[in-house]
Amino acid sequence: TQLLEQSPQFLSIQEGENLTVYCNSSSVFSSLQWYRQEPGEGPVLLVTVVTGGEVKKLKRLTFQFGDARKDSSLHITAAQPGDTGLYLCAGVSYSNTGKLIFGQGTTLQVKP
Amino acid sequence: DVKVTQSSRYLVKRTGEKVFLECVQDMDHENMFWYRQDPGLGLRLIYFSYDVKMKEKGDIPEGYSVSREKKERFSLILESASTNQTSMYLCASSSPGLEESNEQFFGPGTRLTVL
Repeated sequence: TQLLEQSPQFLSIQEGENLTVYCNSSSVFSSLQWYRQEPGEGPVLLVTVVTGGEVKKLKRLTFQFGDARKDSSLHITAAQPGDTGLYLCAGVSYSNTGKLIFGQGTTLQVKP
Repeated sequence: DVKVTQSSRYLVKRTGEKVFLECVQDMDHENMFWYRQDPGLGLRLIYFSYDVKMKEKGDIPEGYSVSREKKERFSLILESASTNQTSMYLCASSSPGLEESNEQFFGPGTRLTVL
């Protein structure tokens, strides 16, 4: 069974601080996705990383896929209160059945 | 604007009741999914369907069944609700094909409380 371990599970920081969320597995994935979920809503896709070593930027968010395609990280620079939410990583297996394997999620709280 | 809608945002039921959760998508997606979301456990897949009348068990199917009679609608059924099924239930849809199209589109969720 493929598993994704996400850490930390909870993060509370002040506005302007930087943070990194990690997503690790012993399994290899064909691609990895990051979703953000706000209270009362379903998760929404932020980015998909496909190539080992790939780095994608979305404004202040930087996503990286590990060279071995087993891990990923999300780095937020100068966090804002609007970044508050639940961040979920999700792996796509090579069988590509359409199913995703989700990490446990990281709840981020950015205080003004 | 693409949309996945769920029949209820909040639901309160009693132990032993039969519960229906409905999900409708307007994107003509082949794949549809039901998850439950509990704090610290992420999203756990209950069932998914990759075509009308086709279904496959996910990681935690016990106590649940599903129905997909039409492409746009996927129903989750709790045959006899129990208190340990109190949770947030999320429906999602996606289209098979290219890597990028593994994106799943989620509904807003149904928070079910079983008393």
